[in-house]
Amino acid sequence: GAVVSQHPSRVICKSGTSVKIECRSLDFQATTMFWYRQFPKQSLMLMATSNEGSKATYEQGVEKDKFLINHASLTLSTLTVTSAHPEDSSFYICSARDLGDMGQTQYFGPGTRLLVL
Amino acid sequence: AQKVTQAQTEISVVEKEDVTLDCVYETRDTTYYLFWYKQPPSGELVFLIRRNSFDEQNEISGRYSWNFQKSTSSFNFTITASQVVDSAVYFCALSEGISGAGSYQLTFGKGTKLSVIP
Repeated sequence: GAVVSQHPSRVICKSGTSVKIECRSLDFQATTMFWYRQFPKQSLMLMATSNEGSKATYEQGVEKDKFLINHASLTLSTLTVTSAHPEDSSFYICSARDLGDMGQTQYFGPGTRLLVL
Repeated sequence: AQKVTQAQTEISVVEKEDVTLDCVYETRDTTYYLFWYKQPPSGELVFLIRRNSFDEQNEISGRYSWNFQKSTSSFNFTITASQVVDSAVYFCALSEGISGAGSYQLTFGKGTKLSVIP
C-alpha cells in the first residue's frame, strides 16, 4: 500500500518550453500533496504544499507563476514548470499524505529528473 | 522553529559491520513525529519508520533498529550486519502540526550517505 507514482521519470526539454509533472497516489486518497526539489548531494527543499480543491501554498522564494500547481482530485497533483530555463534543471519529487493516516506519514514518488537545455 | 541535524555527512563501512546513523532534532512542540527515509541511487525516497513523540519505545525491524531518546532529542538508526544493498542516503525528518490544521510539513536533515563496501 501507499504507492505514489510520478510521470515522467525523466524529461529533457529546450529552454522556454513548459513541462508538466504528474503525481498520483495509486492506492489511497491524498488531500495534501507536497512538491520538493533536490539538487545533487543536497537535501530536499520543499517548494509548495498542494491542497485538493484549493490553491497551493508556496514556500518563500518559490515563484508561483513559474511553478504552477494544480490538485484537481484526491489522487492527482500536477506541477508545471513554465518557460523552463537551464537553472530549473533539477530532481523534482512529490509526496502524498494519506487522508486516512493520522500519523502524517508522507509517501514519496520516484521523482522526475528535469534537464533544460 | 524546528531543525534536524544529521552530523554525519558520509559513512563507509565494510559489509557485515554494524553502523549507526545519528539524528538530533529541535522543536518547541510537545507533539511531533520523527521519520527515517532511505534514498537509494535511483532517487525514490523509501519510508522506513515513523515514531510519535509520546512513544519512546525502541523499535526493531529485521536488521534495522531505532533508538528514540527525548532527553537528548535524538532518534538514531542502527543497521546491523550491513549489506551492500543498504548503500544509500538516509534522511531523518521531523513533522509538527498534529493539532489543529497544521500542514504536516516535513523538516529534513541534510542526509547521511552510507556506503557499504563488499
